[in-house]
Amino acid sequence: SQTIHQWPATLVQPVGSPLSLECTVEGTSNPNLYWYRQAAGRGLQLLFYSVGIGQISSEVPQNLSASRPQDRQFILSSKKLLLSDSGFYLCAWSGGTLEYGYTFGSGTRLTVV
Amino acid sequence: LAKTTQPISMDSYEGQEVNITCSHNNIATNDYITWYQQFPSQGPRFIIQGYKTKVTNEVASLFIPADRKSSTLSLPRVSLSDTAVYYCLVGSVDSSYKLIFGSGTRLLVRP
Repeated sequence: SQTIHQWPATLVQPVGSPLSLECTVEGTSNPNLYWYRQAAGRGLQLLFYSVGIGQISSEVPQNLSASRPQDRQFILSSKKLLLSDSGFYLCAWSGGTLEYGYTFGSGTRLTVV
Repeated sequence: LAKTTQPISMDSYEGQEVNITCSHNNIATNDYITWYQQFPSQGPRFIIQGYKTKVTNEVASLFIPADRKSSTLSLPRVSLSDTAVYYCLVGSVDSSYKLIFGSGTRLLVRP
């Protein structure tokens, strides 16, 4: 069966520090991968999505970047965090069709202080 | 991508049936309608998906009228554990589709 792993679960980082969040998927190949962010009490904002290795689409211009170095690995990065980067970050994958929708990871709670 | 509109919040009591309606007036021919459930500090979880008429699974039912401009998620006999945010999404089935989440409906189930 397919599983998605996301870490760390929580992270507290100072303003100006770098960020690296990793997401990996097991049990499938060539998944579509997504990064979402959720501010407290708000809906999910799509940040990046990828349909293949090295293919990244950005939805929102911001302080973040994403990379897909391997088929089932998706990384969210920042060179210098801002206070506004705080939030709940979720990675998700899909099989390229809408059947059964997306499967989300357990999320990373990022607090920038 | 079709925009969706759903109530911000709803209240219910244990054992009642809850119906959450979502409007998607600009839905495209090849768009599907999908509902997700999200508990606090967790990722959304797929509940049900449909294209037209009615779909039922072990968790919920999804009613879609002929014009497909709206859909209704029906949760039979809710329990306290159904307290969550419910998102209605519309998207196409091509390989590069991306789902855009709205604000969702915050359902509170009371004892």
